[in-house]
Amino acid sequence: DTAVSQTPKYLVTQMGNDKSIKCEQNLGHDTMYWYKQDSKKFLKIMFSYNNKELIINETVPNRFSPKSPDKAHLNLHINSLELGDSAVYFCASRRGLIYNEQFFGPGTRLTVL
Amino acid sequence: QQQVKQSPQSLIVQKGGISIINCAYENTAFDYFPWYQQFPGKGPALLIAIRPDVSEKKEGRFTISFNKSAKQFSLHIMDSQPGDSATYFCAAAYSGAGSYQLTFGKGTKLSVIP
Repeated sequence: DTAVSQTPKYLVTQMGNDKSIKCEQNLGHDTMYWYKQDSKKFLKIMFSYNNKELIINETVPNRFSPKSPDKAHLNLHINSLELGDSAVYFCASRRGLIYNEQFFGPGTRLTVL
Repeated sequence: QQQVKQSPQSLIVQKGGISIINCAYENTAFDYFPWYQQFPGKGPALLIAIRPDVSEKKEGRFTISFNKSAKQFSLHIMDSQPGDSATYFCAAAYSGAGSYQLTFGKGTKLSVIP
């Protein structure tokens, strides 16, 4: 059983399109994250939800909108895709306090043409 | 402002050698320091972590050394193996209530050559 799963694994799309990435965790965790990893491997936090409530919203364009329908899911919707959005997006989850292990999903490689 | 500085950016080590990756932090409130390992095409995974009440933590071939006064911590990989080739990220956080964010370093790509 995959602890943190993401779909799709690869996403190739044209500039201007709207796309969504889905994330599910079956660990019973209460905090979930979205990270963006650029071509230089830098991990940048985008959003965090705790018990379905948005708690971290870093400087991310308004075109990115997270949605948490329940504690096990955190989806990322991106409007009007731009070339600079090309990256690998990771979902992650954690239970309780920060010093508990953060589990990452396998990533979604987004390519905007 | 980058709060966790990681070096080197890349590292090549011979099989059997010692790999050393260094990190420095600025925020004295940080009290949790994990290292994550990422293989190509995979998500990062927790490797080892330390709290500042100890100066060293060892798990198998992996050791974290922590210097609170210098605000530095490092990862040592003993007897490095080709299977250790990956990108390593240090991170830091404040562990108090209401803390949710790990601050990551920029990563070190380790290549262990046979």
